[in-house]
Amino acid sequence: DQQVKQNSPSLSVQEGRISILNCDYTNSMFDYFLWYKKYPAEGPTFLISISSIKDKNEDGRFTVFLNKSAKHLSLHIVPSQPGDSAVYFCAEYQGGSEKLVFGKGTKLTVNP
Amino acid sequence: DTGVSQNPRHKITKRGQNVTFRCDPISEHNRLYWYRQTLGQGPEFLTYFQNEAQLEKSRLLSDRFSAERPKGSFSTLEIQRTEQGDSAMYLCASSPGQLYGYTFGSGTRLTVV
Repeated sequence: DQQVKQNSPSLSVQEGRISILNCDYTNSMFDYFLWYKKYPAEGPTFLISISSIKDKNEDGRFTVFLNKSAKHLSLHIVPSQPGDSAVYFCAEYQGGSEKLVFGKGTKLTVNP
Repeated sequence: DTGVSQNPRHKITKRGQNVTFRCDPISEHNRLYWYRQTLGQGPEFLTYFQNEAQLEKSRLLSDRFSAERPKGSFSTLEIQRTEQGDSAMYLCASSPGQLYGYTFGSGTRLTVV
C-alpha cells in the first residue's frame, strides 16, 4: 500500500497564477516531509520541507502547508513561472532508516 | 563540482549481462543511498550506507543486486544477470547525516534489451 500519495499526475497553470500541488500520507509515525523538483534527465532537487511541529513553511515563492488531522500537505507556488515546469515529488522522511518515501509525482506545466 | 556524481549516465545492455554503476558522493557526506525510479513512479529506496557499512537493504534489492562502499568513499551498484524489469533510472544520494543535505545525483539510466 502506497504510503505517500499524489493523486494528480499533472497540473497546468498560467504564468503568474498560483500552482497548488497536493499530497496525502498514511503513516503518522514520521514527522518530516519534503518536496523535490525534478527536470528530465536530472536527479531530484530539494525544494522545501516541513516538520510536523509546524503547519506552514515559506521560502520565497514556495509555501508548504501541513494538515496533520487530514494527513495532507500541499505545495503552493505563487506566482508560477515557466521555469517551474517540472515533476514535483512529495516525500516522507523515515528517520530510523534515513530513507525517503516518495509519491508518484505531479507534472506541473506553467504556460507563458 | 561538489555535487553527487554518477557514472555512466546511460547504459544499454543485453538481458543476462552484468552491469556496474558508480556513485561519487559529496566528499564530506558519510551517508550514501541508492534509489531506483521507473516510469511513472517516484524514486524507491534500495539501500543505505553509513561510511562503509551497509545498514539497510530494501526487499526490492534481490540477490542479483549488490552494493558496496569500500573505504566509505565512492559506491558501486552491480546488477547480475540483468532482466528487462531492471530497466530504470538508478539514483544515488548522499548526506552528512542531516536531512537538509540530502543531495541526489543525476542518475544512471539503464535499458535492458
